[in-house]
Amino acid sequence: KAGVTQTPRYLIKTRGQQVTLSCSPISGHRSVSWYQQTPGQGLQFLFEYFSETQRNKGNFPGRFSGRQFSNSRSEMNVSTLELGDSALYLCASSTNPGQGAQGYTFGSGTRLTVV
Amino acid sequence: AQRVTQPEKLLSVFKGAPVELKCNYSYSGSPELFWYVQYSRQRLQLLLRHISRESIKGFTADLNKGETSFHLKKPFAQEEDSAMYYCALNYGGATNKLIFGTGTLLAVQP
Repeated sequence: KAGVTQTPRYLIKTRGQQVTLSCSPISGHRSVSWYQQTPGQGLQFLFEYFSETQRNKGNFPGRFSGRQFSNSRSEMNVSTLELGDSALYLCASSTNPGQGAQGYTFGSGTRLTVV
Repeated sequence: AQRVTQPEKLLSVFKGAPVELKCNYSYSGSPELFWYVQYSRQRLQLLLRHISRESIKGFTADLNKGETSFHLKKPFAQEEDSAMYYCALNYGGATNKLIFGTGTLLAVQP
């Protein structure tokens, strides 16, 4: 059974550009969540999608957005990149909302560097 | 507001010694708590869920609602336990929304 797949693994972007990250959840998992991991702030919740709908959103500016497709794959987009957006972006999937108690399966992440 | 606190950034013990990684939480609802572990160069993975009261790799964690704690314990540390450990609280209720502690790096010395 394939795990959570995130692409690309590494990205270097310039300030002001935008970026799109992709996440394919485990087959059968319909809930996809995104987290930002930085040395200073640790792991912070971005948003959660289920059945193509955003169910939860963290405290991030509107430059951060996402979507989920009918096959449960999800993308997140960051527009007008800032240096502070440099981070490891993690995707996690679970069977459905309320299954948080079952725990997530995380991807390896996309390392975004903004220069 | 919900919060997860891991007071120790680094915990260094010798092989065979007991381990206790501390986690305290603040949450007005009914907590769902987890421990996640990240070994070097590996992805973050679930270690324990409080709801299942299981023991994984010799680790246990008991939810103490009176002390609002969910400390991770192991009686005899092994070198392969060296990793970053994160305590997490699901505060999304019927949905998934985790807040993580800042993590504790466990270093088990030979």
